[in-house]
Amino acid sequence: DIQMTQSPSSVSASVGDRVTITCRASRGISSWLAWYQQKPGKAPKVLIYAASNLQSGVPSRFSGSGSGTDFTLTISSLQPEDFATYYCQQANSFPWTFGQGTNVDVK
Amino acid sequence: QITLKESGPTLVKPTQTLTLTCTFSGFSLSTSQVGVGWIRQPPGEALEWLALIYWDDDRRFSPSLKSRLTITKDASKNQVVLTMTNMDPVDTATYYCAHSGGGNSFFDYWGQGTLVTVSS
Repeated sequence: DIQMTQSPSSVSASVGDRVTITCRASRGISSWLAWYQQKPGKAPKVLIYAASNLQSGVPSRFSGSGSGTDFTLTISSLQPEDFATYYCQQANSFPWTFGQGTNVDVK
Repeated sequence: QITLKESGPTLVKPTQTLTLTCTFSGFSLSTSQVGVGWIRQPPGEALEWLALIYWDDDRRFSPSLKSRLTITKDASKNQVVLTMTNMDPVDTATYYCAHSGGGNSFFDYWGQGTLVTVSS
């Protein structure tokens, strides 16, 4: 299985801050990476697919980059509704695997 | 629009078999490149990918759970069924079904999830 490691596990930030989350794959996955946002009690919502493509309807303050083993999700200016947990997911090979999550909370 | 909804027992006993049904609308599981997957999340923990079935009946499983999982589809009823045998308290989780379409390798639509507790 390909292991996905996110860092940090938790980040405290304020509205307006730039937030960056990193996801590292245990081996190369080309650009087969998606990012999800999950709020408490809710299903995950896809933000980014194919490493850098913004899903329809997702605000442009979210962006993704990277290929191979190292990927980044950036929130350019954190909004109140962005406090949530974020997961990366690889789909280069089965089984698809998720990172352990990064919780973005209020500073 | 695409919707999915999970149904099944909220409480199962250890060693029992869990059967969950995903009933969906807004797409067909007979359409090329469409798949429905199952993902679970223990309370306070991360997401775990379990299984995926495609329009052509191709089935993929988490290797660690493969011996316990079965996934089937009934395209005419717009349903996908996941069974997991020999349930254990560590299998307590919210179970989600989700849509993957157009050859995409991610889940773009998710059900609301159903919490399954394993306890005697």
